[in-house]
Amino acid sequence: EPEVTQTPSHQVTQMGQEVILRCVPISNHLYFYWYRQILGQKVEFLVSFYNNEISEKSEIFDDQFSVERPDGSNFTLKIRSTKLEDSAMYFCASAPVTLNTDTQYFGPGTRLTVL
Amino acid sequence: GQQLNQSPQSMFIQEGEDVSMNCTSSSIFNTWLWYKQDPGEGPVLLIALYKAGELTSNGRLTAQFGITRKDSFLNISASIPSDVGIYFCAGQLRGRLEKLVFGKGTKLTVNP
Repeated sequence: EPEVTQTPSHQVTQMGQEVILRCVPISNHLYFYWYRQILGQKVEFLVSFYNNEISEKSEIFDDQFSVERPDGSNFTLKIRSTKLEDSAMYFCASAPVTLNTDTQYFGPGTRLTVL
Repeated sequence: GQQLNQSPQSMFIQEGEDVSMNCTSSSIFNTWLWYKQDPGEGPVLLIALYKAGELTSNGRLTAQFGITRKDSFLNISASIPSDVGIYFCAGQLRGRLEKLVFGKGTKLTVNP
């Protein structure tokens, strides 16, 4: 069964450094999302992306964040200058755009630790 | 922003028991979904509900979309050890492709 994949599984970085989290959505999906989950808390929406542009973003998704679909398969989340409070699990999700199903399927996540 | 109130926060049950958890909101949602998350993994969709009053089953799981569109419940019958995990409700206010708003989760522990 097709699935969303994410790399790396764990990223440790120093405060102020840039990180890029990578996702490969399911191949025929057209809608892409990033969510994050701080340890022990609920999953929070960051941004959605469709047709090569941002569809919606949350208050969390400030100027330090950006997303890109550099080619036909990858979808990336960049944090320009990481802060301690960016430490969290980051989940990528993708959804098809069909009449029958449009459920969001989640990847296994990248655990980001900012020191 | 929109919030989903999920309860209970945690449950400790014996294998074979039935489980019920629910989510409520002050806002009307057009879609309700239930996800399960295992440690170190991403949420996995269990059941999606698209119509008010809809009752849907997936094996031992049953979920309902409340008539008011402000609540949903999930039942698990005859629990087994692999049911252990965190169960999240999630809702979408309008369209099916928009962001998911998640509840805080119900942590389920099943004692063999």
